[in-house]
Amino acid sequence: EAQVTQNPRYLITVTGKKLTVTCSQNMNHEYMSWYRQDPGLGLRQIYYSMNVEVTDKGDVPEGYKVSRKEKRNFPLILESPSPNQTSLYFCASSLGAGVGDTQYFGPGTRLTVL
Amino acid sequence: GEDVEQSLFLSVREGDSSVINCTYTDSSSTYLYWYKQEPGAGLQLLTYIFSNMDMKQDQRLTVLLNKKDKHLSLRIADTQTGDSAIYFCAESPLSGGNKLTFGTGTQLKVEL
Repeated sequence: EAQVTQNPRYLITVTGKKLTVTCSQNMNHEYMSWYRQDPGLGLRQIYYSMNVEVTDKGDVPEGYKVSRKEKRNFPLILESPSPNQTSLYFCASSLGAGVGDTQYFGPGTRLTVL
Repeated sequence: GEDVEQSLFLSVREGDSSVINCTYTDSSSTYLYWYKQEPGAGLQLLTYIFSNMDMKQDQRLTVLLNKKDKHLSLRIADTQTGDSAIYFCAESPLSGGNKLTFGTGTQLKVEL
């Protein structure tokens, strides 16, 4: 089954404790991205990747890192999480980076930073 | 920058039609999308429309695009309780590659 998976689905952590949220897709998609969803703000893009070893900042990259060592995986790293990073995070992938390439979303990771 | 706006809530009775509205500011938008988010789930693509179209129909869903007013709407005919969800409008600008700019989402509640 074609899908985007994220782990963990739920995470509660404390300020400053490094964490990684994994994202994997099995559709051989080139384009992957991370969004965060906050009430009243919709989804905002954090980082995206056009292909292996090619990543770039989205609209709200501060406090986050990503890597793309393999095509299927695109982990989101919070080196020193802070309470304002409490949010619902979505990973998405699409075949290419062209306008109109449909993005498929993972189920989301709800992160709480105390 | 780009801005996409939606009303936050909509309540309808089962069997009625629902109309969810969206306005956007980026005149270079090429594709406009509607996504559905059910509780505890990710976003599911419902439908999309290319900017040179006025209307697209897909079973119970009708998308209307008024490019002059930068207004997009999603009509759901014969709304069912399973349609209760948050609906996001999103636009993809000409210059942004595959980056999506999302609206705030409209919570649709379907009452019996």
